[in-house]
Amino acid sequence: GAGVSQSPRYKVAKRGQDVALRCDPISGHVSLFWYQQALGQGPEFLTYFQNEAQLDKSGLPSDRFFAERPEGSVSTLKIQRTQQEDSAVYLCASTDRPNTGELFFGEGSRLTVL
Amino acid sequence: RKEVEQDPGPFNVPEGATVAFNCTYSNSASQSFFWYRQDCRKEPKLLMSVYSSGNEDGRFTAQLNRASQYISLLIRDSKLSDSATYLCAFSSGGSYIPTFGRGTSLIVHP
Repeated sequence: GAGVSQSPRYKVAKRGQDVALRCDPISGHVSLFWYQQALGQGPEFLTYFQNEAQLDKSGLPSDRFFAERPEGSVSTLKIQRTQQEDSAVYLCASTDRPNTGELFFGEGSRLTVL
Repeated sequence: RKEVEQDPGPFNVPEGATVAFNCTYSNSASQSFFWYRQDCRKEPKLLMSVYSSGNEDGRFTAQLNRASQYISLLIRDSKLSDSATYLCAFSSGGSYIPTFGRGTSLIVHP
């Protein structure tokens, strides 16, 4: 497809489980972002990649969160030992023009931790 | 003080009304400003960038007030299809990472 693709769209995890969320950006987009969006809130920045380099991970809330983009295309956000407060929609976005601020978002992965 | 503040609303307006939202930011180094639209349970999509001189796109007008550190979005002749959450966003010089507000909910009713 032409847009940003994320999987799974929905994930239910038991507290303490590890989860992995995948993002397939638009082909050729160098910049890739992960955001976390809690209910009723705006997207909160987690981390940013330019190609395979993780240039900013200042938004990751704890060391349980880890992101990678080993070949500069697909990215995975991993959350270890999930907690209830991790329940949110995880949005991935990509762009080929980062200086414009125009991000193309995927539909998100909705994580519910029980 | 939060980096960016928006009134969450909801703003409940009849079709045809004019409605305006503001978004204040605290980082004076902010250089780029945007309005995104997010429909219920959907992803955000860029509505328009906000230029220093203000800009218009059909029924939508965006303005920037650097002195008071806020941006605004004006929607004229509201349509039912305008019902959504409007997120403001900005990025600072040297950083291409947009920071988003919590969004303002707009409900346009018949």
